[in-house]
Amino acid sequence: DIVMTQSPDSLAVSLGERATINCKSSQNILYSSNNKNYLSWYQQKPGQPPKLLIYWASTRESGVPDRFSGSGSGTDFTLTISSLQAEDVAVYYCQHFYTTPYTFGQGTKLEIK
Amino acid sequence: EVQLLESGGDLVQPGGSLRLSCAASGFTFSSYAMNWVRQTPGKGLEWVSTISGSGGSTYYADSVKGRFTISRDNSKNTLYLQMSSLRDEDTAIYYCAKGSGYSYGNTPDYWGQGTLVTVSS
Repeated sequence: DIVMTQSPDSLAVSLGERATINCKSSQNILYSSNNKNYLSWYQQKPGQPPKLLIYWASTRESGVPDRFSGSGSGTDFTLTISSLQAEDVAVYYCQHFYTTPYTFGQGTKLEIK
Repeated sequence: EVQLLESGGDLVQPGGSLRLSCAASGFTFSSYAMNWVRQTPGKGLEWVSTISGSGGSTYYADSVKGRFTISRDNSKNTLYLQMSSLRDEDTAIYYCAKGSGYSYGNTPDYWGQGTLVTVSS
């Protein structure tokens, strides 16, 4: 199974500052035939289901604010929130969908400093 | 608007069975793969199973293989998860999630609110 490891486990950032969350996969999740990284990022607020933010590692889902961006390729990926807003407080998860089982990272809890 | 409504969660004894349902609306159900994903406080999010748009292909996590069966009725726009030989560690919130494509290798893009399954004596 591909293991997804996020860092840090928790993060406190001041409003308006940049937040960066990292995700590392134990195997390459870049599919060479289409040059796509099979990696998604989700946001989960308390009492709610996960919400898709980013897929193919860097494609923003429709309606997601442009302060959210994804980058990386192969085994190392990053979710960046360029200017933290109060409503961004949540737990963030990465997930690969390269091959089953589609494993998730352990989550990163983002708080306001 | 995509809507997914899970039902069927309950308290069940170890070794028991339960069937979850997910009623879908707002999209062409048969054109998309569907997924079950569960969440526990201790283990986080765990992918459980995926079924292709036609229902002809199914995929399972090793932890549920042989005990859980995913199925769909495209005439009723409904996804199912038949769970048997339930164990304490199956206790979780079970989410139904729409896939972004027809079959394998696509990400869950819309999620239901979840249904709670508790396995306990």
